[in-house]
Amino acid sequence: GENVEQHPSTLSVQEGDSAVIKCTYSDSASNYFPWYKQELGKRPQLIIDIRSNVGEKKDQRIAVTLNKTAKHFSLHITETQPEDSAVYFCAASKGAGGTSYGKLTFGQGTILTVHP
Amino acid sequence: GAGVSQSPRYKVAKRGQDVALRCDPISGHVSLFWYQQALGQGPEFLTYFQNEAQLDKSGLPSDRFFAERPEGSVSTLKIQRTQQEDSAVYLCASRAGRTSSYEQYFGPGTRLTVT
Repeated sequence: GENVEQHPSTLSVQEGDSAVIKCTYSDSASNYFPWYKQELGKRPQLIIDIRSNVGEKKDQRIAVTLNKTAKHFSLHITETQPEDSAVYFCAASKGAGGTSYGKLTFGQGTILTVHP
Repeated sequence: GAGVSQSPRYKVAKRGQDVALRCDPISGHVSLFWYQQALGQGPEFLTYFQNEAQLDKSGLPSDRFFAERPEGSVSTLKIQRTQQEDSAVYLCASRAGRTSSYEQYFGPGTRLTVT
């Protein structure tokens, strides 16, 4: 089955700096890669996602890049703010069709701390 | 509109007790997933429903775990004879179900503590 590795496990930055979190996946059939932000005791919330037919997607201060050949994808947060502090999870799936039904395989998470 | 809701939010069970966890998906969502999130870890897939049909239960860790969605909306995850290793947050997620719709919307989870 799919395996997703995420690094680093913790990341500490100063407000205004950029943060980068990286993930690798094992199944070349995976074609959907969401990123979730989870604050303590709260539900995972989708912040950005990318499908395998594009290499990069940007939404204001957040961007995701995908390298299908190398089977890795990254989350980039620019101009970090203290409210960006949370646990971030990457995930991979084979989309909504097929017999995998789009179930998500998650990475282990990255604890991001943004210091004021 | 209303998001995915789960109840109870917290559950403490003595080892050996049975528990039932409820998930109310977004109205009209065809697909429903259950995930288990251990402390400090990412969520792990348990089972998947398409309407009332349980199409994948490959992630259920033992035959003590049982899930149902009899009318294709509300789902219940039941754990029989709970063990300490069952302590985790149980997350439910729903998806619209259209083949063009990939996004899963998560509920707040039920934190289960087995003592």
